[in-house]
Amino acid sequence: QEQLVQSGAEVKKPGASVKVSCKASGYSVTSHDINWVRQATGQGLEWMGWMSPNSGNTDYGQKFQGRVTMTRNTSISTAYLELSSLTPDDTAVYYCARLTMTARSGMPPEYFFDVWGQGTLVTVSS
Amino acid sequence: EIVLTQSPGSLSLSPGERATLSCRASHVISSGYLAWYQQKPGQAPRLLISGASSRAPGIPDRFSGSGSGTDFTLTIDRLEPEDFAVYFCLQFSTPPSFGGGTKVEIK
Repeated sequence: QEQLVQSGAEVKKPGASVKVSCKASGYSVTSHDINWVRQATGQGLEWMGWMSPNSGNTDYGQKFQGRVTMTRNTSISTAYLELSSLTPDDTAVYYCARLTMTARSGMPPEYFFDVWGQGTLVTVSS
Repeated sequence: EIVLTQSPGSLSLSPGERATLSCRASHVISSGYLAWYQQKPGQAPRLLISGASSRAPGIPDRFSGSGSGTDFTLTIDRLEPEDFAVYFCLQFSTPPSFGGGTKVEIK
């Protein structure tokens, strides 16, 4: 069964950093890009960026540039999200999600997040 | 950045009724770049539809997607009790962005 399993909840003080892990199982982690998405309580979903576990290439959302780092350790099939200079506005559930692309004859390629981690609650409070 | 606007924000319906959810993009997007998700409290989103109209494996055929260009629709025929949830659209033009969601509530 293909799945992503994330690390547990974190409580951080303002100004601190947090590192969340996302371990892939049931498939090769290097075969799909990993994206990170967050959701504040009662709010919508916000895309943070993606990383290619194969190459290590990344692309971050403009809002998070300079504060976010996405890395991976392929030997343990794990991707990481690190967010620094935390403020209470960063309190949210953070999800990793696998990006899949399919291409069918005569149809445009399709992109979608098909496997999600269970989410990691990060609480930022003094 | 492409902005996705979902309407209505919430929908009150009874089991057995049809739900029609709209997702409008601020710019034209390829239909292959539009997906729909269901989310229940305390759970991660679940993929329903990719490529605007392709049902994901295991998704019942009462769920259907349509649309192109800037206007996309998710239809849920004959609502079942387990269908009451929040639904999001997501587009994959760079950067990816989500709609604000439509909450389907039991009337």
